[in-house]
Amino acid sequence: QQQVKQSPQSLIVQKGGIPIINCAYENTAFDYFPWYQQFPGKGPALLIAIRPDVSEKKEGRFTISFNKSAKQFSLHIMDSQPGDSATYFCAASSPGNTPLVFGKGTRLSVIA
Amino acid sequence: SAVISQKPSRDICQRGTSLTIQCQVDSQVTMMFWYRQQPGQSLTLIATANQGSEATYESGFVIDKFPISRPNLTFSTLTVSNLSPEDSSIYLCSVEARPPSYEQYFGPGTRLTVT
Repeated sequence: QQQVKQSPQSLIVQKGGIPIINCAYENTAFDYFPWYQQFPGKGPALLIAIRPDVSEKKEGRFTISFNKSAKQFSLHIMDSQPGDSATYFCAASSPGNTPLVFGKGTRLSVIA
Repeated sequence: SAVISQKPSRDICQRGTSLTIQCQVDSQVTMMFWYRQQPGQSLTLIATANQGSEATYESGFVIDKFPISRPNLTFSTLTVSNLSPEDSSIYLCSVEARPPSYEQYFGPGTRLTVT
């Protein structure tokens, strides 16, 4: 049973556009929701993370929106650049040092 | 954040042999994790390795196939035993930062090809 559902599987946007990647979860015990960025041949890098006590978090051009009642969260990339082309993974975990559960990933291509 | 190194970065191994992957962290961490990532796929947790205790394996992964050592708070090894082509994958070490952060960081990965 997939605990974190991520969509879309792939996404192509023009430079300057705002790609949006969505994730939905089922486990109401989840309280930590990070996003990772992975370039080919590299390990995933922590991009931004949110906890359920806030509905939005911004770091640079990256924004997480969180909807606790809908059990959904999303990543927005403002003013996207070709260098943002990568695979993005959402994840979630419960309190108490539990491991992350990952979505299936979204392959983003930003074209000039 | 934590700086994580893995050795080797890649290897090509013959069927039936074993490969041991090393993970070194630049700071002391309690929780270390080992993941597998098949090409174009998401990350699958193999096991959680806490210092001073036996590793905890996820469903579908067993100690005989994936023995793990965690001798101290900065180092761990994962061995993939009795290799088959199905074991060809990227293996990733990950660590969890200390409270209150609990952020999780990944190493660069080890790309294993089994021929």
